[in-house]
Formats: sequence, C-alpha cells, structure tokens
Amino acid sequence: GDSVTQMEGPVTLSEEAFLTINCTYTATGYPSLFWYVQYPGEGLQLLLKATKADDKGSNKGFEATYRKETTSFHLEKGSVQVSDSAVYFCALTKYNFNKFYFGSGTKLNVKP
Amino acid sequence: DVKVTQSSRYLVKRTGEKVFLECVQDMDHENMFWYRQDPGLGLRLIYFSYDVKMKEKGDIPEGYSVSREKKERFSLILESASTNQTSMYLCASRDRGEILGYTFGSGTRLTVV
Repeated sequence: GDSVTQMEGPVTLSEEAFLTINCTYTATGYPSLFWYVQYPGEGLQLLLKATKADDKGSNKGFEATYRKETTSFHLEKGSVQVSDSAVYFCALTKYNFNKFYFGSGTKLNVKP
Repeated sequence: DVKVTQSSRYLVKRTGEKVFLECVQDMDHENMFWYRQDPGLGLRLIYFSYDVKMKEKGDIPEGYSVSREKKERFSLILESASTNQTSMYLCASRDRGEILGYTFGSGTRLTVV
C-alpha cells in the first residue's frame, strides 16, 4: 500500500545550520507530496507542496523537490532559526485528495 | 482567518465512558476528517465525511463513530472509551476543489484512565 517514511528524530542543530529531513514514499500512480509543520501546542500547518515530478515546493526558506526516480521529497533549509523548532511531517495524497498518508514526524530542535 | 476549532484542548475520561469530541469549521468546507496522532506512528485516519450525514471509515475506525448533522460540525464519538484510545486527536477540513491540503484544528489531548 501507499506509505511515507521519514528519518527518525529528534534532529538537533545550532542556529544558522543547514537542515535536511529525509522523506521517501511508496505509492502507485501519481501522488502529490506535502510537508506539514506542527509547532508546540498547535495543529498541523501546510508548509509546502509539490504535485508532480520535478516540482519544487518552497515556503519560509524551506524547499523540497519531488524526485520520482528516487521516490523522495527531502526537506531542506539553508539556515535554520530557533523559531523553526517544531515537528515536521511528510505526507502524500492522490486521486481525490480525501486520504493523506503521513510519515511518523521528525522533531527539530534548534539551539541558539 | 479560516479556522477549525476543537472544543476541548485536554480531556480526562474514565474507561467505559462515552466520549464526544467536537470540531467546528467556519470555511464552508465539504470534507472533514478525524485523525489520531501517536508518537512514532504519525497521523492515522479514523473517519472522514464528504457531506452532511455522509461518512467513510479511515484506517482505524474500530471503537469510534462519527456524526455530521450540520456542514460545519463533525463529531467523533468513542462509544466506550478504553486506555488504548489515549491519544492526541486532530480534526481537519478541506474544500472539495482544494488541492492545498487540510486546515487542522489545534488538537484534543484525550487521556483515558
């Protein structure tokens, strides 16, 4: 079945460090891929998306490129801030977008 | 700003109680969803609804039911709460034609003792 696999956390970085959170997926057909972020005490917010192969989603300095050949959608940011500390979820959906498959989440801690 | 509001932030209930979790959205969205979030498991879909009085089972519907009598409100019901239903419950909604994904509520942390 369809699924998403994320790297285990937590990830701890110093401010201004480079961030990569790995995400790979298994899906038939042509899924759309998403990154969601959950700040402490809040629900999930959409961070970025890509709906077809080679698309790059970007928002707030974060980027991810839909790589069909490696079935990956890794999240990157060139210089993290303390305010980026949160849990990040990779997700996929397809067809009528009524069902999302979420990864297990990766907690990011950024130290000043 | 669009909102999905979950009525309780924290709940503590006893084993065997009937529990109602309420979710209201103000965006006139057709689709609403209930997920539970557990460490290491991510989010798992319990039920969703694509219209008033319509519902479909998700991946883990056992022990749960739902009610959608009005478009803006989607209730999750634990018929007889058990300790393994202790979890964070997240409600979400989405407009039928919208591909940007869900709008989530802030969650209800339920503890069953």
